[in-house]
Amino acid sequence: NAGVMQNPRHLVRRRGQEARLRCSPVKGHSHVYWYRQLPEEGLKFMVYLQKENIIDESGMPKERFSAEFPKEGPSILRIQQVVRGDSAAYFCASSKAGEADTQYFGPGTRLTVL
Amino acid sequence: DQQVKQNSPSLSVQEGRISILNCDYTNSMFDYFLWYKKYPAEGPTFLISISSIKDKNEDGRFTVFLNKSAKHLSLHIVPSQPGDSAVYFCAAPGAYSGAGSYQLTFGKGTKLSVIP
Repeated sequence: NAGVMQNPRHLVRRRGQEARLRCSPVKGHSHVYWYRQLPEEGLKFMVYLQKENIIDESGMPKERFSAEFPKEGPSILRIQQVVRGDSAAYFCASSKAGEADTQYFGPGTRLTVL
Repeated sequence: DQQVKQNSPSLSVQEGRISILNCDYTNSMFDYFLWYKKYPAEGPTFLISISSIKDKNEDGRFTVFLNKSAKHLSLHIVPSQPGDSAVYFCAAPGAYSGAGSYQLTFGKGTKLSVIP
């Protein structure tokens, strides 16, 4: 039973480019969450999605960041016009409906902006 | 404003001894707590949780204690093993009153090193 899968594991972008991070939840999980971890910090909530719906994006920066979880395929976190401050580890988590307080995390994507 | 605090960035323990990792919280709305374990280059792995209706929860070598009046919880690992060496995060759902319980608020983590 595969866990949460994220790809790529490492992503290098130059300032101004776009970054696309993908997340496939645990089979049977319909809820996806994205978190960001800056160096020496804990994980910070960004966005909560269900299939085709953004439930809560209160932790997302207002500009350049967007997320989706289409009916088919993985969830995507998209960062446009990346800046150095976007360099971080981005973790996706998933849960079953009704069990949102116990989330299972993927291995993360480490984004480096040059 | 950190609502979940892990004040010890690191801890070293001899193999076979007890490891005690501490976590303090400020938000009295939190009523459920989780501990995650994280190896380098991996995502956090759920370890153990506790509800505020309990003051102790045990799972094998891992026990979590909750002191609601002190707003403090601790994770005990006994006996400690070298494979326990990892970063341990304390987390609570719901960052603030009105926030969804899905919003896990994490501490900064404590790096545990178990010395053989």
